Amino acid sequence: NAGVTQTPKFQVLKTGQSMTLQCAQDMNHEYMSWYRQDPGMGLRLIHYSVGAGITDQGEVPNGYNVSRSTTEDFPLRLLSAAPSQTSVYFCASGRANTEAFFGQGTRLTVV
Amino acid sequence: TQLLEQSPQFLSIQEGENLTVYCNSSSVFSSLQWYRQEPGEGPVLLVTVVTGGEVKKLKRLTFQFGDARKDSSLHITAAQPGDTGLYLCAGRSGGYALNFGKGTSLLVTP
Repeated sequence: NAGVTQTPKFQVLKTGQSMTLQCAQDMNHEYMSWYRQDPGMGLRLIHYSVGAGITDQGEVPNGYNVSRSTTEDFPLRLLSAAPSQTSVYFCASGRANTEAFFGQGTRLTVV
Repeated sequence: TQLLEQSPQFLSIQEGENLTVYCNSSSVFSSLQWYRQEPGEGPVLLVTVVTGGEVKKLKRLTFQFGDARKDSSLHITAAQPGDTGLYLCAGRSGGYALNFGKGTSLLVTP
């Protein structure tokens, strides 16, 4: 039982590069979400999805895209990386809009 | 927007002491959750409270949701070094967005 799996665990990008952070869950949860965690700012919601084909914006969506083609996967795309996107990114999943399980995080540095 | 204020920000105590962490807001929440996060890991859900006045116990941890559903507390009895971590509260006031507090960093020394 893997839970929520995020890849990669660490990533360094150059300004302007694009990349996709992967998130997969094997618990058949309808609800999935992406957060970023920054020192002094806490966890902030980027995007969320209440089911396959349905996504919506959270508090800090600018510079990020998401899609939900399957129940299991919810990738987060950085379109053109900026130093301000240096952060730790967490994916979460749950039932009934509850962030019951978090992944271990992706530590992203943009130089 | 940070709707939840947690206090204290930092807490350093010795093994065996009791402590209380507070989570306050001016907003009413439909549900409130508490998580513990250890360095290098994702948050782990401890409890969800949904009813005003609700009290839930998880071994030595007691969680209370305020009557007006605007605040919550976490009380730990006889803290142990294994309780060390960042404690986060998070609540939903409407829609799907979960708002997190900035957390209370707890250190329990033997």
